[in-house]
This record gives sequence, C-alpha cells and structure tokens, in this order.
Amino acid sequence: GAGVSQSPRYKVTKRGQDVALRCDPISGHVSLYWYRQALGQGPEFLTYFNYEAQQDKSGLPNDRFSAERPEGSISTLTIQRTEQRDSAMYRCASTSNMNTEAFFGQGTRLTVV
Amino acid sequence: AQSVTQLGSHVSVSEGALVLLRCNYSSSVPPYLFWYVQYPNQGLQLLLKYTSAATLVKGINGFEAEFKKSETSFHLTKPSAHMSDAAEYFCAVSDRSSGNTGKLIFGQGTTLQVKP
Repeated sequence: GAGVSQSPRYKVTKRGQDVALRCDPISGHVSLYWYRQALGQGPEFLTYFNYEAQQDKSGLPNDRFSAERPEGSISTLTIQRTEQRDSAMYRCASTSNMNTEAFFGQGTRLTVV
Repeated sequence: AQSVTQLGSHVSVSEGALVLLRCNYSSSVPPYLFWYVQYPNQGLQLLLKYTSAATLVKGINGFEAEFKKSETSFHLTKPSAHMSDAAEYFCAVSDRSSGNTGKLIFGQGTTLQVKP
C-alpha cells in the first residue's frame, strides 16, 4: 500500500479480554516494528521482524504480549488478558531494509476499561 | 545503554520567531540521530536524520539540526516559525553498530505551540 496501515484506529475493550492489533506495512518492506506510546511519552520499542522472522522481542513487557508476521507482510500484535495499564497508542513502522527511514502508521489507540 | 533527553515538554514561540528544540543523548559511541514530527491524528514523520556525514543536517519544512559530539546534543532549529509547525516533536537514536534504523529510542517529546 501507499503507507503503513493500522487497524483498528480505536479499540475499547474490557479488562481481561484479548485484543489483536493489525499492521499492514508498505508493500515490499522487509522490516516491521511495533512500538507502544503512553500518553505524554515517546514511543517505546516492543519487537521487530525481518520478513517473517521475529528478530528481537526484548521490548515486550510480559508474556501476555505476542506478535507474528507469518507471511512476511501483515503483522498482528496480540495482547491477552488485557489490563488497564495496557491502555496506550500502539504504533507500527516498516523499513525497506536495515539502513533506511522508518515509516510509521497512524497507530491504534487501545483503551482498556 | 542509550538514552535521549528532550529539554522542555512544551515550547511556545511567536509566528516568525526562531524555533529551538533541545535534544541530548547518552551513548557509548555516537549513534544515528533522528527528529520526527507528529501532527494530530497522524503518524510520525521523519524530519531529518544524522548518520555519518555532515554534522549540520537539513530536513524538510525548513528545519535543521546540528550534531555536536562534545555536547552530546542534536538540537532542532528553524529560523522562522510558521503556524503549521505546531506539532509534537520527537528526538530519537538508534544503534550505529547494528545499522538498525528502525529500532529507535525516543525522547519524551516536545510540543511546539506557535502563537500568531
């Protein structure tokens, strides 16, 4: 696509429910990144993929968070048993290769009530 | 470990005045450095980046930044503010040794207000 697309744009869920956030990177981009941004803070790295391989998941806060990119294109970030502290903006970015500009999507605003 | 500090969470300038947004980094070796801008309801957009060439970097919309190794700084400037510059600005670093320009450490952001 023309840019990085994330869906849904807004998600309200009840505490304890599972959520899946989707990221569709720019067509042909090799690397895909997930970030979380709390209100009033800068984005924080969660995890990234090269093609379908998850290269680094050091930023995932706990085992309720997981991500996949099974065909090396679209990625899903899943949060199980959501908690109020998971409320944040979740951002996805992609790069064409390792040394190029990261393009960010508009993000998914997650609210856990 | 690398870190980024942006001095001032809010900066207010008059239209036509100089814009100066401050960024200091901490890193054992000089990292790659970036400034991103976030307009309301939009994604982060790259303004400019420093990788290894000239220390004065020019970006889009008239912005520029200077890498000063001795001061571990990468401050963002624009000679004359425009109303459309009102946005949130983020300074970020990435690890030069890995060459991974998508894995970024961001500062907490600075909101720029431009008054008419």
